Amino acid sequence: EVQLVESGGGLVQPGGSLRLSCAASGFTFSNYGMHWVRQAPGKGLEYVSAVSSNGDSTYYGDSVKGRFTISRDNSKNTLFLQMGSLRAEDMGVYYCARDRLIAAATGLGYWGQGTLVTVSS
Amino acid sequence: DIQLTQSPSFLSASVGDRVTITCRASQGIASNLAWYQQKPGKPPNLLIYAASTLQSGVPSRFSGSGSGTEFTLTISSLQPEDFATYYCQQLNSYPPYTFGQGTKLEIK
Repeated sequence: EVQLVESGGGLVQPGGSLRLSCAASGFTFSNYGMHWVRQAPGKGLEYVSAVSSNGDSTYYGDSVKGRFTISRDNSKNTLFLQMGSLRAEDMGVYYCARDRLIAAATGLGYWGQGTLVTVSS
Repeated sequence: DIQLTQSPSFLSASVGDRVTITCRASQGIASNLAWYQQKPGKPPNLLIYAASTLQSGVPSRFSGSGSGTEFTLTISSLQPEDFATYYCQQLNSYPPYTFGQGTKLEIK
């Protein structure tokens, strides 16, 4: 069974940093592209970032470019999101998600339950 | 980045109704579109990929169509468990794979 479990969320002051993790199990992690998607309270889904299966290629949404860094450790089946210069508008639930298929972005077929990030002084 | 616009943003319907949600892309994306259902407090659930292919385990009352810039999600006969928020997502070329703003489907 595919499982994605996020951790690392919490309360952080504006301008601060936080590192999210996503522990993957039930599939060969190194074969799949991985993504972060967030959702502000009461709002819609916002695409944050993606990393290729081998970690060589990374992508970011405009709102986080230059502040967030996605990475992965295939030896530990773990996805990361290093978040810096945090703002109030970064607050929300952060989900990690897996491509439905190997080497083909056709949809995000598996999602974690999310971790909540609160940005407040 | 490619923008997606869903309509309507809110939809009120009754059990048994047929409903259609539209998603328009700011540029052509071939059939590189997915649809998700999200219920409160839960992560999204993939319903349809490649614009019209039903994800395994999704009821056949859900269907998708379209290509290029205009896409639709249709629920042929609404069931009580279908009242949720629906999102389209484009997966054309490289990320970021943007989402539409969502359509909240409510019980009339």
